[in-house]
Amino acid sequence: EAGVTQFPSHSVIEKGQTVTLRCDPISGHDNLYWYRRVMGKEIKFLLHFVKESKQDESGMPNNRFLAERTGGTYSTLKVQPAELEDSGVYFCASSPGTGETQYFGPGTRLLVL
Amino acid sequence: DAKTTQPPSMDCAEGRAANLPCNHSTISGNEYVYWYRQIHSQGPQYIIHGLKNNETNEMASLIITEDRKSSTLILPHATLRDTAVYYCIVEGSNYKLTFGKGTLLTVNP
Repeated sequence: EAGVTQFPSHSVIEKGQTVTLRCDPISGHDNLYWYRRVMGKEIKFLLHFVKESKQDESGMPNNRFLAERTGGTYSTLKVQPAELEDSGVYFCASSPGTGETQYFGPGTRLLVL
Repeated sequence: DAKTTQPPSMDCAEGRAANLPCNHSTISGNEYVYWYRQIHSQGPQYIIHGLKNNETNEMASLIITEDRKSSTLILPHATLRDTAVYYCIVEGSNYKLTFGKGTLLTVNP
């Protein structure tokens, strides 16, 4: 069974540009989560989807971040415009149901110059 | 959400058991304790979780005290590939995981 996959694995962009990260959850998992670790900090929760609905987006840092999960399958996280402090590793996780074990993807390493 | 306290680092000899402690004194009755680890810069890897009873799987054992205020993750025969940062997490409200600094376990040959 394939795990959580994320694309791209690395992204280097300039400040002010737009970047879109993609996450494909484990097949059949209704719950999808985004987390991130910025430089020197701990991994922080961003938001939680149940199918295509945002269950909790309390961790989203500001309105430059937009997450979508159209159709309840894969999800995208768009950063527009990117700022230097957005650099870090963005992780996606999925779980079969709410409150069940979350399985993480390998992450996308974002560097904003 | 309940907070956890872990030692920042531990060492273990290869082949020996690694016992990683975690304090979670403010845990609520229905909150689970989860353990994840992160090897290098890979994504966090799920290890084990529990509520009240001790748990064991192919990777590790989890011992939770009767008052649930602390737990211990046991890797029975540590290998060099077990060197990682281990996170003890109490699953909070809305099911989000709150990662702390974790324990850097170094397995030495």
